[in-house]
Amino acid sequence: AQSVTQLDSQVPVFEEAPVELRCNYSSSVSVYLFWYVQYPNQGLQLLLKYLSGSTLVKGINGFEAEFKKSETSFHLTKPSAHMSDAAEYFCAVSFPHSSASKIIFGSGTRLSIRP
Amino acid sequence: DGGITQSPKYLFRKEGQNVTLSCEQNLNHDAMYWYRQDPGQGLRLIYYSQIVNDFQKGDIAEGYSVSREKKESFPLTVTSAQKNPTAFYLCASRGGSFSTDTQYFGPGTRLTVL
Repeated sequence: AQSVTQLDSQVPVFEEAPVELRCNYSSSVSVYLFWYVQYPNQGLQLLLKYLSGSTLVKGINGFEAEFKKSETSFHLTKPSAHMSDAAEYFCAVSFPHSSASKIIFGSGTRLSIRP
Repeated sequence: DGGITQSPKYLFRKEGQNVTLSCEQNLNHDAMYWYRQDPGQGLRLIYYSQIVNDFQKGDIAEGYSVSREKKESFPLTVTSAQKNPTAFYLCASRGGSFSTDTQYFGPGTRLTVL
């Protein structure tokens, strides 16, 4: 079955410390991968996406993610956290050769920043 | 500005009432989606539509209905048959090219049943 797992429901980090939010997926077919960010009472905003090509993807707000097919992972990282990064982050996967046009979302990781 | 709008931002409903949530996009996207978000559960797909006058049930369609009479609009009705409708509802759309496959989201509607 196809699924997305975000291993950590909450990740606390100190301001200026590095951030890593983990995402693993399960699929027997090729995938597209996404990270979205959600601030309280707002919609989801696309941070970055992997469709093909370079496995290291850079996004907005200094975030990047690396697609590792052998590990079926797409972890999100940032070298130095800012207070404004506090939000919920969702990993998602879609299937480019599927006619269903659906995206599967992980359950989310809440990132909190300590001063 | 191109984007997705949802209205209202906050909605209160009495038990037994049907309510309709609005979703409009001016991105010229073919596909549109409705999700429900509950704390700690991520997003769950209610309905989606890949083209005008066509739509499919998602994972949790019971108690909801939709229509897609225009490309720009995909309203969601929460019926009295939905037993636990209090949640945050998100609408999304996706462009026609499968090479992008990116969904873009509206700001959401928070529905509370009194």
